[in-house]
Amino acid sequence: AQKITQTQPGMFVQEKEAVTLDCTYDTSDPSYGLFWYKQPSSGEMIFLIYQGSYDQQNATEGRYSLNFQKARKSANLVISASQLGDSAMYFCAMSRVGGTSYGKLTFGQGTILTVHP
Amino acid sequence: DADVTQTPRNRITKTGKRIMLECSQTKGHDRMYWYRQDPGLGLRLIYYSFDVKDINKGEISDGYSVSRQAQAKFSLSLESAIPNQTALYFCATARSSGNTIYFGEGSWLTVV
Repeated sequence: AQKITQTQPGMFVQEKEAVTLDCTYDTSDPSYGLFWYKQPSSGEMIFLIYQGSYDQQNATEGRYSLNFQKARKSANLVISASQLGDSAMYFCAMSRVGGTSYGKLTFGQGTILTVHP
Repeated sequence: DADVTQTPRNRITKTGKRIMLECSQTKGHDRMYWYRQDPGLGLRLIYYSFDVKDINKGEISDGYSVSRQAQAKFSLSLESAIPNQTALYFCATARSSGNTIYFGEGSWLTVV
């Protein structure tokens, strides 16, 4: 079974500063993917970034980067230069990769990020 | 236009009524999923489909049914809605060889 743990129910950051959202995971699968999604108050689920378990480098997408530490089973999201529009709920999720299990996401409880001006 | 479209976006229905949520996608993905989100929680998988002839139950399928009418369309039905099915419902799509899973905008369903 897979499990995602997000230990920060809420985080606060000053505009233009960087923030790290924590995510730890547990799985016995050798091949898996880690995802981060943003959910603003309007409700939609916006894909941010993906990291494969065999990827050698940490994933980056614009202001988002994923600090992947495989041995520690952590996949923290780093948002650089925070903007007011980054205020939202953030979910970490994982899925097996390949075969019939891909796309069956296991989600964490989420972290609410508030960006202060 | 969104690549993954859900209708309706908002619906209030009465206990015991049948309700259908529809999902269509223009991404050409073979895999489609229905998830449910309860307030303050992450998403849980209801049903998923790898192609038109392949339907599978997820973690919380009781009280729900689905239909994959075409590769691009995947519908979720509540045959007899009950109040604890009040939630935000998401459709998602993925390519079997891909590394991104895309979600629709969500459908807010309230059962009174």
